[in-house]
Order: sequence, then structure tokens, then C-alpha cells
Amino acid sequence: KNEVEQSPQNLTAQEGEFITINCSYSVGISALHWLQQHPGGGIVSLFMLSSGKKKHGRLIATINIQEKHSSLHITASHPRDSAVYICAVTGNQFYFGTGTSLTVIP
Amino acid sequence: SAVISQKPSRDICQRGTSLTIQCQVDSQVTMMFWYRQQPGQSLTLIATANQGSEATYESGFVIDKFPISRPNLTFSTLTVSNMSPEDSSIYLCSVAGTGGSNYGYTFGSGTRLTVV
Repeated sequence: KNEVEQSPQNLTAQEGEFITINCSYSVGISALHWLQQHPGGGIVSLFMLSSGKKKHGRLIATINIQEKHSSLHITASHPRDSAVYICAVTGNQFYFGTGTSLTVIP
Repeated sequence: SAVISQKPSRDICQRGTSLTIQCQVDSQVTMMFWYRQQPGQSLTLIATANQGSEATYESGFVIDKFPISRPNLTFSTLTVSNMSPEDSSIYLCSVAGTGGSNYGYTFGSGTRLTVV
């Protein structure tokens, strides 16, 4: 069993839709990260959370420490949001989820 | 946050050869990390590179196969040695933010390696 589980694995949305990606983890953590990986392979760090909620533009990330669960929301989705979104946690070491592949159709 | 320049962005290499990947950071950082992402898989940490000491390798990765250099606080290289098709992956370097590993990470743009 993976220490970090993401759902869904693949997601296709129409432009403008509200998108939610979920992440559950089973280890003790000091922080949770949401990463965005573009088709070329490069990764951008979107958020680092240890509690509560963070917002950046159309992206919102929340974490519930008690439930060991985090969500990444994208409002008013756009084709340029198409990427793989990876949840990762840092505790004793760095654990990565397998990613959610998002495609936003115009 | 730090900016990382990673080179090359992609390469196609012959079986049995070696490839060296470079990461240059625009600020001094204590710890640099090297990851591998095999096709369809999540990222896996290969090793942690600290300046002035031997890199620390994760289980399943050895120095002979993935030698790492860290000559100063802004630069590191990872070599993939004696390559086989199973080494075809994306390789990424990363640095922790100021204040240590709990202050966010910056990733390089990745090196997409294909071994034929």
C-alpha cells in the first residue's frame, strides 16, 4: 500500500468547471505539498501546507490533519491547467503520490 | 524561492554509455535532492547531496550506478552510468526552501532520458 494515495488517477473536465483532486496519506507528516508536473517533466511547487487552507489565484488547497486528507481545488478551469498534479508529504522522508492527470478541454 | 537550471532537458543515449545531468541553483543551498520518475510512476528519491560530504543514497540506489558530485553550495551533478533501457526515466533535482525541508521545495525542469 502506498503511503500517499490520490484520486482520481485521470480527470477530464470542460473549460470553466470546478475541479477537485483528493489526497490521503497514512504516515505522520510535518507538511503536505501539491506539485504540478507539465508534459516536459518539469515540476512546480504549488502549495506547502501544514494546516488549514491556502489560496493562490484559482487554486485552493486544504488539509485536514485529523483525517489525514488534503484536497486541491481549481476554480474556473482552463486548458493551461492541463498537467499532472502530485501530492507529496514530508515526515521522516518524502513520500509522493502517483499523480492525477488532468486534461481540460476547451 | 530558489531558481534551478537543469541540463540537459532531454537526451537519447545508447545502452552501456553514461550521462551526466547538471543542476545549477541561483543561491547557496545546503541540501540538494535527486529523484527519478519512471514512466507512469511517482517520484522516487535517489539520493541527498550535501556539500563537502558523500551523498546519502536511498535503498535500491548505489553510488557506482548513480555517482553524484556536489563541489559547492550552488551546483550538483548526477551521472547515470552504464545505462540500460530500464534507466529511461525523468530525472529531477530539487532543493529545500530557506529554513529547511518544511519551507517548500523548488524542482529543476527535469531531464527526460531515453536509453536505446
